Amino acid sequence: DGGITQSPKYLFRKEGQNVTLSCEQNLNHDAMYWYRQDPGQGLRLIYYSQIVNDFQKGDIAEGYSVSREKKESFPLTVTSAQKNPTAFYLCASSTFIAGGLTNTGELFFGEGSRLTVL
Amino acid sequence: AQRVTQPEKLLSVFKGAPVELKCNYSYSGSPELFWYVQYSRQRLQLLLRHISRESIKGFTADLNKGETSFHLKKPFAQEEDSAMYYCALSGHGNDMRFGAGTRLTVKP
Repeated sequence: DGGITQSPKYLFRKEGQNVTLSCEQNLNHDAMYWYRQDPGQGLRLIYYSQIVNDFQKGDIAEGYSVSREKKESFPLTVTSAQKNPTAFYLCASSTFIAGGLTNTGELFFGEGSRLTVL
Repeated sequence: AQRVTQPEKLLSVFKGAPVELKCNYSYSGSPELFWYVQYSRQRLQLLLRHISRESIKGFTADLNKGETSFHLKKPFAQEEDSAMYYCALSGHGNDMRFGAGTRLTVKP
């Protein structure tokens, strides 16, 4: 069953703790993305990666970290430095237009992970 | 900096009425614009992209570079069109930024 899988669906964390959200895809996609979704604010880009071992900061990268050691995996760590981490997190992947490095623009999304900091 | 603005958080129309969801953007280069849709209990998915100039489920969107807009239109709304709609912009770096979204409700 091909797709993009996020885990866990729900996660609770105490203040001061780091937590890592998993994102795995078996679509052989090149690019992967992390977004944060808050009510009324849409999706805000945290980090994205176009190739293995490379990633770029999005608009709200402070307090987050990522790695891209494998093409199929793009975990997001929410660190204790993130001031307001309680949110819904979405991971997505996409592929490039054949023969190039331009994104097709079609992102495939996971079901999301809801993080609550107690 | 690139930014996508959707001025309406909520939009309600009656079945059979025309619908227009507004999207404005700011970007210094030539952007690629998209509309994504999220139906109830489903994942966010691509609806259409400006470069394809396609009509999907009766929806169309025209890129107006002069007004920096990419409004989504449908001449006759259906109840099954009720969903959350997001306008998105991709720059040269293969990033993708979304607007805040518009919740469309089509009343019977």
